[in-house]
Amino acid sequence: EVQLVESGGGLVQPGGSLRLSCAASGFTFSDHYMDWVRQAPGKGLEWVGRSRTKANSYTTEYAASVKGRFTISRDDSMSTLFLQMDSLKTEDTAVYYCVRELNYFDYWGQGTLVTVSS
Amino acid sequence: DIVMTQSPDSLAVSLGERATINCKSSQSVLYSSNNENYLAWYQQKPGQPPKLLIYWASTRESGVPDRFSGSGSGTDFTLTISSLQAEDVAVYYCQQYYGTLRTFGQGTKLEIK
Repeated sequence: EVQLVESGGGLVQPGGSLRLSCAASGFTFSDHYMDWVRQAPGKGLEWVGRSRTKANSYTTEYAASVKGRFTISRDDSMSTLFLQMDSLKTEDTAVYYCVRELNYFDYWGQGTLVTVSS
Repeated sequence: DIVMTQSPDSLAVSLGERATINCKSSQSVLYSSNNENYLAWYQQKPGQPPKLLIYWASTRESGVPDRFSGSGSGTDFTLTISSLQAEDVAVYYCQQYYGTLRTFGQGTKLEIK
């Protein structure tokens, strides 16, 4: 059974940093692109970014709203995806979902809540 | 970026009736080399993560009831629920995966009339 479990969310002040983790199981993590998608309270879904596989040089892509502030990385030996969030803004407040990508997103974690507030 | 626009924003349908949600992309998501539309639909119930319903515009994900169907090509797409059930109350999103940067529609909230 595919499982994606996010952790690391919490309350952080504007300008601060936070690192999210996503532990994957039930599939060969290293074979898959992995993404982060977020959802602000009461709002719709926003794609954050993607980590490609080793075969694709672990390249990453980001939405314009987070580019230069957020960094996605992965540890295939631990089947874990990371999202390093720096220079956080109040508008980054959201539930952050870890997602497996097959072009479309076939498996989603339960999400972790990040609140940016003073 | 490819902009996805859904209509309507909300919809109330009687149990057993048909529900139709539309999605329009700002540019074609039909890839000519394989004749596939790079368009997916998701269902999100309150307090839950989204769930994949449809991909390649019309392929139903395993386990999704056959009352859900997707259609359309190029820039205009439709999600149809043929006979609305109480458990279908949710927000529905379309998403394109044609562009490198993925984008979602704003969502359509489906309720029971």
